[in-house]
Amino acid sequence: DQQVKQNSPSLSVQEGRISILNCDYTNSMFDYFLWYKKYPAEGPTFLISISSIKDKNEDGRFTVFLNKSAKHLSLHIVPSQPGDSAVYFCAASAQDTGFQKLVFGTGTRLLVSP
Amino acid sequence: GAGVSQTPSNKVTEKGKYVELRCDPISGHTALYWYRQSLGQGPEFLIYFQGTGAADDSGLPNDRFFAVRPEGSVSTLKIQRTERGDSAVYLCASSQGAANEQFFGPGTRLTVL
Repeated sequence: DQQVKQNSPSLSVQEGRISILNCDYTNSMFDYFLWYKKYPAEGPTFLISISSIKDKNEDGRFTVFLNKSAKHLSLHIVPSQPGDSAVYFCAASAQDTGFQKLVFGTGTRLLVSP
Repeated sequence: GAGVSQTPSNKVTEKGKYVELRCDPISGHTALYWYRQSLGQGPEFLIYFQGTGAADDSGLPNDRFFAVRPEGSVSTLKIQRTERGDSAVYLCASSQGAANEQFFGPGTRLTVL
């Protein structure tokens, strides 16, 4: 049973435009969410996170939005750059596991073309 | 400073053999995690260490899998009687303590023939 879902396996965007990556979760115990970015042959790199007490967190070009009632979060990248081309993973954790056990989605491959 | 390192980067073995995968966490990080990423999937949690002890091993798929961290730094993931289904990228991560960002290594790609 996939508790964290990324239903779009890939996304293509032009440079300078907005990229929106989506993530849905089913476990209502999740209360901390993260986005990781992964380049080929490298490990995932932390990008941005959000606690369930917030509905938005912004860091430069990256903004994460959380809609708890819909169990949905999204990552916005504005403006998108070719160097953003990578696989993006959404992950969730719960306080009852000490936030240690990250549950990942299957990833969305983002391609930003010049 | 150095990030999380994992050795070997690639390991090819035959079905039924024993393998060890090593992880060197970031110096000073007390928490260490192992994940497994199969083709087309996201990383899947295996085990988490706080110091020398396994605080949560609920993700280990069966008793062929075992991990140790005897001195609270380097960790070894051990897989006995490997099966073709064990083929995956095994990722290690470390963090400074509870509820902190996890830093991942590049992974070990295990192929079981």
